[in-house]
Amino acid sequence: DVKVTQSSRYLVKRTGEKVFLECVQDMDHENMFWYRQDPGLGLRLIYFSYDVKMKEKGDIPEGYSVSREKKERFSLILESASTNQTSMYLCASRAGGSGNTIYFGEGSWLTVV
Amino acid sequence: RKEVEQDPGPFNVPEGATVAFNCTYSNSASQSFFWYRQDCRKEPKLLMSVYSSGNEDGRFTAQLNRASQYISLLIRDSKLSDSATYLCVVFTGTASKLTFGTGTRLQVTL
Repeated sequence: DVKVTQSSRYLVKRTGEKVFLECVQDMDHENMFWYRQDPGLGLRLIYFSYDVKMKEKGDIPEGYSVSREKKERFSLILESASTNQTSMYLCASRAGGSGNTIYFGEGSWLTVV
Repeated sequence: RKEVEQDPGPFNVPEGATVAFNCTYSNSASQSFFWYRQDCRKEPKLLMSVYSSGNEDGRFTAQLNRASQYISLLIRDSKLSDSATYLCVVFTGTASKLTFGTGTRLQVTL
């Protein structure tokens, strides 16, 4: 079974703090993703990565950055957290190819106060 | 128009009922289609892929209509445990892009 692990499940941070969300996958997938999910808005793509050290902006990259130094690890960074970044963050991974499914981590619930 | 659209529901059905959801997509170049299930405050999990010829997994049947650009999910003999949000996912190969619908909520009641 594919395992996508998000190490921080519940976080409370103050406005202006730097926040790191870590994600590790164990299936040697090329593609990794960070989404946020908010009620009524569904899943929105923040950043994705096709390979080590490669990153692409998704639909809502503002206020976020990412790092992929190793194939299995994809980190999301909030340089200066703001209250509108309070959300559930989902990491996902997927093998290359059109028919391959995407696998999600359990989610990180971030509250910025 | 949204790339992937779903009726948000909720669909409230009694146990044992048959219920169907549709999902429309706008990009005719879309290649792969999936249904995911998401329980409250949990991550989405793959329910089934959708094949051109249609496919069935127990009580669940998925179909693809390329001409009208929609996919469907049929659930027969609904169980209480089917209560969840069902997400439609579309992969467009030209942009290597996965697009999610906002989900359809199903509530199965006694």
